[in-house]
Amino acid sequence: AQSVTQLGSHVSVSEGALVLLRCNYSSSVPPYLFWYVQYPNQGLQLLLKYTTGATLVKGINGFEAEFKKSETSFHLTKPSAHMSDAAEYFCAVSDRNYGGSQGNLIFGKGTKLSVKP
Amino acid sequence: AAGVIQSPRHLIKEKRETATLKCYPIPRHDTVYWYQQGPGQDPQFLISFYEKMQSDKGSIPDRFSAQQFSDYHSELNMSSLELGDSALYFCASSFKGPNYGYTFGSGTRLTVV
Repeated sequence: AQSVTQLGSHVSVSEGALVLLRCNYSSSVPPYLFWYVQYPNQGLQLLLKYTTGATLVKGINGFEAEFKKSETSFHLTKPSAHMSDAAEYFCAVSDRNYGGSQGNLIFGKGTKLSVKP
Repeated sequence: AAGVIQSPRHLIKEKRETATLKCYPIPRHDTVYWYQQGPGQDPQFLISFYEKMQSDKGSIPDRFSAQQFSDYHSELNMSSLELGDSALYFCASSFKGPNYGYTFGSGTRLTVV
């Protein structure tokens, strides 16, 4: 069964500093991996996803993530934090069903990012 | 572009009442998923439908049921509501699997008092 572990429930960075949000996954099959962002009282917005191909994935708002199979990791980074990046970030793995339909998403516990001026 | 539409956005119910949440997927998406996100929690998968048939079931209580209709919209029916059912309920839709990405709706915030 798939699972996701996000290290650090709360990360605080200064504006302009590097953002690094950690995600490790467990999966018995090649995973589909996702990062979602959730602003207060809002829905989940897809930042980026890895399915196949290039292991460095670029997403919206300047975020990117690298799939490292050997480390079972999919850490999210952004070179320079902006105040508007303050939100909660969820890493997710897809519980793919090879039988024809599609799997559901299994989420990590989330990491709340604070950005200090 | 059309997104996943959920209604209502907010719902307040009393204990033991029933509630129905609706989800309208993106046109041509063939799969609908329901998730429950409690306060300060990560989203938990409840149930999914593929081509109007239930395809997977997660941690959905027996008091809850769901279905997908011929027009692909889905409804989550919740009976005998409990205080612990207060949460944000998300619907997501996808086409031919997660490779194409899930799209989430804005959610329905259910408050049980």
